[in-house]
Amino acid sequence: GAVVSQHPSRVICKSGTSVKIECRSLDFQATTMFWYRQFPKKSLMLMATSNEGSKATYEQGVEKDKFLINHASLTLSTLTVTSAHPEDSSFYICSASGGLAERSYNEQFFGPGTRLTVL
Amino acid sequence: AQSVAQPEDQVNVAEGNPLTVKCTYSVSGNPYLFWYVQYPNRGLQFLLKYITGDNLVKGSYGFEAEFNKSQTSFHLKKPSALVSDSALYFCAVRDPTSGGSYIPTFGRGTSLIVHP
Repeated sequence: GAVVSQHPSRVICKSGTSVKIECRSLDFQATTMFWYRQFPKKSLMLMATSNEGSKATYEQGVEKDKFLINHASLTLSTLTVTSAHPEDSSFYICSASGGLAERSYNEQFFGPGTRLTVL
Repeated sequence: AQSVAQPEDQVNVAEGNPLTVKCTYSVSGNPYLFWYVQYPNRGLQFLLKYITGDNLVKGSYGFEAEFNKSQTSFHLKKPSALVSDSALYFCAVRDPTSGGSYIPTFGRGTSLIVHP
């Protein structure tokens, strides 16, 4: 299957700093990328959906100014956690889907995740 | 609106025994259904999907799932469990009709624990 990478895999930062997480589709063009946050009780929370070249669509309750998403190319999306606080500590996972998502029955391809710890 | 439910938080099974992880869904039309597996500190991996055709779908690692329209279910099964199957399993649904969302909805996940 297609490969999606995430970098970094783990990051520890001080409160108040910003952290950027990269998500890349390595062998296909990802028209749509999704960003999830996974809580300790395991459930996945969709944060936002991004389409290449356009603004991300955020889910209700997700702060746009805090979680900046950029999908500048068909192979790269970035999530920047601005002014991170300890409550932002979590496991962040991206996924990518190729083709026209509205008509696509393709499965999603997930990155390995990024463990963010804010001290 | 589309929704999916995984009624079991955890499933325990002995190695060598058959396993079932349950999933039920709700969509307005015919669903696209997916199963994913997540190993500790990893992203999700695709296991199998149902789009159309045969109700019994075979996927990776010996897993299969049966689409049951009347019961709106898509339970994941394996005839003989392995300890290495211990992981977190997610069911997901998409409603491909014009009124549906192309964004899949995930269940809350089921922890599968296979005992030696």
